[in-house]
Amino acid sequence: GAGVSQSPSNKVTEKGKDVELRCDPISGHTALYWYRQSLGQGLEFLIYFQGNSAPDKSGLPSDRFSAERTGGSVSTLTIQRTQQEDSAVYLCASSFKPGWTSGNYEQYFGPGTRLTVT
Amino acid sequence: QKEVEQDPGPLSVPEGAIVSLNCTYSNSAFQYFMWYRQYSRKGPELLMYTYSSGNKEDGRFTAQVDKSSKYISLFIRDSQPSDSATYLCATLYNFNKFYFGSGTKLNVKP
Repeated sequence: GAGVSQSPSNKVTEKGKDVELRCDPISGHTALYWYRQSLGQGLEFLIYFQGNSAPDKSGLPSDRFSAERTGGSVSTLTIQRTQQEDSAVYLCASSFKPGWTSGNYEQYFGPGTRLTVT
Repeated sequence: QKEVEQDPGPLSVPEGAIVSLNCTYSNSAFQYFMWYRQYSRKGPELLMYTYSSGNKEDGRFTAQVDKSSKYISLFIRDSQPSDSATYLCATLYNFNKFYFGSGTKLNVKP
């Protein structure tokens, strides 16, 4: 079946412009995560959705970052007034709703969007 | 202090060697421990997971957790060039928040 898809795969933008990154999770997955991966920094948690609500936004680095999810499916991460330090790979992952009895916490990652701010 | 610390490497070994990858974590409340493999320009993929102290084996891979010392390890036996990738350890907190290490880059030379 289809995996997690992200678009665009690459984005080059000028400092100060806004960008939108899109994530299409696996059908039926209710949990959706956004991460940022910078060189040598590992995965930095940004935000978590359960359905359309975001119970945990603690990882968003500033108010220039926002995300939404509609219809319990597609999610968009928006970065306003981009800065050079925003350059990174933005990864999206989805999973079934974690449950202790199911014990299923596996996240499935998309290929990422490589953002370069010039 | 980061929630999960991991030596970034790189680690270079000859084909057939046993590889040991290690992480430490800070919070004893972390419940669930995972290892992901990430090939260049791809998203991470889950290799193994465990939620108890001890060893879990899957083919050439063994995941080990020591909760008393907050230490997690991944061992790869008979390493192959196809194992060359970045390996990320991760932990789960409160059943919905994942913390990842920075990743160890492994190169297995033929």
